[in-house]
Amino acid sequence: DIVMTQSPDSLAVSLGERATINCKSSQTLLYSSNNKNYLAWYQQKPGQPPKLLIYWASTRESGVPNRFSGSGSGTDFTLTISSLQAEDVAVYYCQQYYDKGTFGPGTKVDIK
Amino acid sequence: EVQLVQSGAEVKKPGESLRISCKASGYIFTTYWIGWVRQMPGKGLEWMGIIDPSDSDRRYSPSFQGQVTISADKSISTAYLQWSSLEASDTAMYYCARLAASGIFHFDYWGQGTLVTVSS
Repeated sequence: DIVMTQSPDSLAVSLGERATINCKSSQTLLYSSNNKNYLAWYQQKPGQPPKLLIYWASTRESGVPNRFSGSGSGTDFTLTISSLQAEDVAVYYCQQYYDKGTFGPGTKVDIK
Repeated sequence: EVQLVQSGAEVKKPGESLRISCKASGYIFTTYWIGWVRQMPGKGLEWMGIIDPSDSDRRYSPSFQGQVTISADKSISTAYLQWSSLEASDTAMYYCARLAASGIFHFDYWGQGTLVTVSS
C-alpha cells in the first residue's frame, strides 16, 4: 500500500498571508507513460463533504479560486494558498490515485 | 447537473446487516466509476473501494476487502455499500463519490454523506 503523510498537522495563518501544506507519498506517484502525478487535493469544511481542489498534482478544478495552487512531483507535493481568506478555514487532504487510493491524514488550517 | 444523493442516516445494532445507497443523476451512470469513502467521528478520510457500474468490476482497499461489499444497479443509476454484520467500529459517515474518468482517478463529485451509527 502507498502511505501518505502530511505536514504540518495544523497551521494558523493571518488573513492575506500564505499557507503551505506538504504531502509525501511512500512511493512515486509519477506515471512514466504519461508523465502525470496521480495526486489530488481536497478541502473539507465542517459538516460538508470534501471538495476537489487540485488534480494531477497541479491542475486546478474548475471554479476553484486561483489562490489555490499545487506543485511537486514524484513523492513530494505542496498545496499553497497564496492569500488566506476566512472561507479557507478547513481541513485539507491529499490523495494518491496511482494505486487504488489513499488519503493523507489531513491538515487543519485556521486563522491566526 | 451532476448529483449524488445518498440514503438517510441509519441506527443499527451490532450484528445487523445494512445497505446504504447513492443515486446518481445528471450524467451517464455507466461512464464513470463510483467509490466509497469512510470518515470516522473526528477523523480523516479513508478510501474504501470503487466500482465500475458498467460491468461491476470492483477494487477494494486491503483494509476493507471482505468487510464490506460494493455493488451497483445500472438500471436505476444507484451504487450501494453493504455490511453483512455490523460492528460498533463501523460507526462513521460514509460518502459516495464519482471518479473523474473511467478507471482509477480522483473524485470530482461527492454525495452528502450517510451517517451510520452502530450501538447496542
